[in-house]
Order: sequence, then C-alpha cells, then structure tokens
Amino acid sequence: KNQVEQSPQSLIILEGKNCTLQCNYTVSPFSNLRWYKQDTGRGPVSLTIMTFSENTKSNGRYTATLDADTKQSSLHITASQLSDSASYICVVSAQTSYDKVIFGPGTSLSVIP
Amino acid sequence: EPEVTQTPSHQVTQMGQEVILRCVPISNHLYFYWYRQILGQKVEFLVSFYNNEISEKSEIFDDQFSVERPDGSNFTLKIRSTKLEDSAMYFCASSEGHYRSYEQYFGPGTRLTVT
Repeated sequence: KNQVEQSPQSLIILEGKNCTLQCNYTVSPFSNLRWYKQDTGRGPVSLTIMTFSENTKSNGRYTATLDADTKQSSLHITASQLSDSASYICVVSAQTSYDKVIFGPGTSLSVIP
Repeated sequence: EPEVTQTPSHQVTQMGQEVILRCVPISNHLYFYWYRQILGQKVEFLVSFYNNEISEKSEIFDDQFSVERPDGSNFTLKIRSTKLEDSAMYFCASSEGHYRSYEQYFGPGTRLTVT
C-alpha cells in the first residue's frame, strides 16, 4: 500500500536552533518527492522537489535529503525563525499517474522565542 | 508575483445543495488541480485538468464532482449534492507544465462547511 509517514508529529524548538524532520514512504514506482510548508489556513507552498537521482536539494535555510534505497527523506531547517512555524508536508508521487500523489500527515513545527 | 486565487474564502451550504468553488490559476499555467483537506487530516488529491479535460482523478472524485474551465481564466469545482462529509478546505493549484517536473502553486483555499 502506498503510504507516506512523517515524524515527529509535532516539534517545538527555540528560535535560532536547527531541526530535522523525517519522511518515510512506500510509494512505488517512485517519481519524485516534495516538501511543502503549510501555514495554518493557507495553501501549501513548495520548498523542494527531488527526483530519484537527486539526494540533496537546498532552498535557502531548507535542505532536503533523499535516500531512494531506504525510501527516506529529511528536511533540515537551519537557524530557525519564528516565521518557520508551520506544518511541513512530505509528498511522494508515483511514476505512473497523478492519482498516486500521496501526502504525508505533516509535522507541526513551532518556533518559540 | 503571480498567484492562484480562490473564491469564496468560506462557503456555508445546506446538505443536498449544489456548490461551485472558483479558482483563477496563474495565467500562463496549463495544468490545474483540485485538492481537499478535511480538518485535521491529510491533503488529498481530487483531480487534475489539462487541455480542457480531466487528465487524472482519484477515487474521491465521484459523480457528484465535476470540473470546468468555462472561460480563459476560471477553473471551477462543482459539487452537485453536498454531504456533511464534504466539509473541508478545498485547494486549487496550477502548474506551468506536467506535475512531475514543474512546481505546483496552491491557492489560499476555500473552506466549505456543509450543515
């Protein structure tokens, strides 16, 4: 069964600290993996897109890694800011069709002063 | 910066009524999508639309749903006979090219409440 799991479910960190969010998936055949940031009550905003051949992708303070062998991805946030408080969603799509787009449940990140 | 817009931001309707949710994708984008997110749950794919026809749809997108691009700018989602379980946030998205290779840009969402 195609699934995307994320951990932790929620995380609280101090402003300025780094954190790493995890994503495990069983989606097959793999096409790409995306990380989105979703503020409360807003639409998701794309952070990174990675295909099978990419194992790291950066977007400012966000760095995503992908291990296609173990089917794991991580999103590392450096020097966190209060505005980083949001839900971070891992989305994996299969190679064949759109209806294999699987959203993870998200990790709720709270950055506190 | 171009953005996807959606109207209304909040729609309240009675069970059994028809609703139309509206979206204006980014102007040079060719692919359009609808997603929904029930409160506290994951985002779920509903349908994708390209070249004036549905290209993919999920199991959720049954006969009560339909999509249309009535003119050159709007993209609509119609729910024919709403049920309580249709209450959710509905997100429209668009992309310049095929989802596999292009960024998807999401709108702010329409919160649908069915009473």
